Amino acid sequence: GAVVSQHPSRVICKSGTSVKIECRSLDFQATTMFWYRQFPKQSLMLMATSNEGSKATYEQGVEKDKFLINHASLTLSTLTVTSAHPEDSSFYICSARGLLQPQHFGDGTRLSIL
Amino acid sequence: GENVEQHPSTLSVQEGDSAVIKCTYSDSASNYFPWYKQELGKRPQLIIDIRSNVGEKKDQRIAVTLNKTAKHFSLHITETQPEDSAVYFCENTGNQFYFGTGTSLTVIP
Repeated sequence: GAVVSQHPSRVICKSGTSVKIECRSLDFQATTMFWYRQFPKQSLMLMATSNEGSKATYEQGVEKDKFLINHASLTLSTLTVTSAHPEDSSFYICSARGLLQPQHFGDGTRLSIL
Repeated sequence: GENVEQHPSTLSVQEGDSAVIKCTYSDSASNYFPWYKQELGKRPQLIIDIRSNVGEKKDQRIAVTLNKTAKHFSLHITETQPEDSAVYFCENTGNQFYFGTGTSLTVIP
């Protein structure tokens, strides 16, 4: 079945570092990719929706200059957390979907900023 | 604005009982309604979905019902087991995409 690969699975870095997370759809072309953030024991919070070749649509309250999203192809989207600070520590998860298809989620990235 | 409301946010049931989670939407263009299950520490995964031309779909102990007139769809889990304990998310998609806020289900042995 469809698989979404997300890397890295875990990142620990110093405050001020920029971190890039990749999300790849391995055996299907994703018309749309989504980026979520999840705090412990809380729901998935949608951050942005990304369509190939166009600018991402950010949810209210999400800083687009802080969380840069690039959807360069139908199989790859990247999220870059720029100048990360401890409050950015969280679990970030991506998903990809085709038209009127369910989302296929990546395994997530645990980001820890020291 | 248009969105999807998911209830309840938490649900505890005794093993063997049924669990029902309901989502209410407002976008009349919605035509695809999947449900996802996220076990602790794992990715959400599709468990069942339904399209707007069908009123009910069943897969073993799991069923989804859709009422397009009332604009709500529900997940039904019968004969619940401890391994059903997880967070469940609804979604509806049409011209736009809407994701529910999740329901934490606990099945008590």
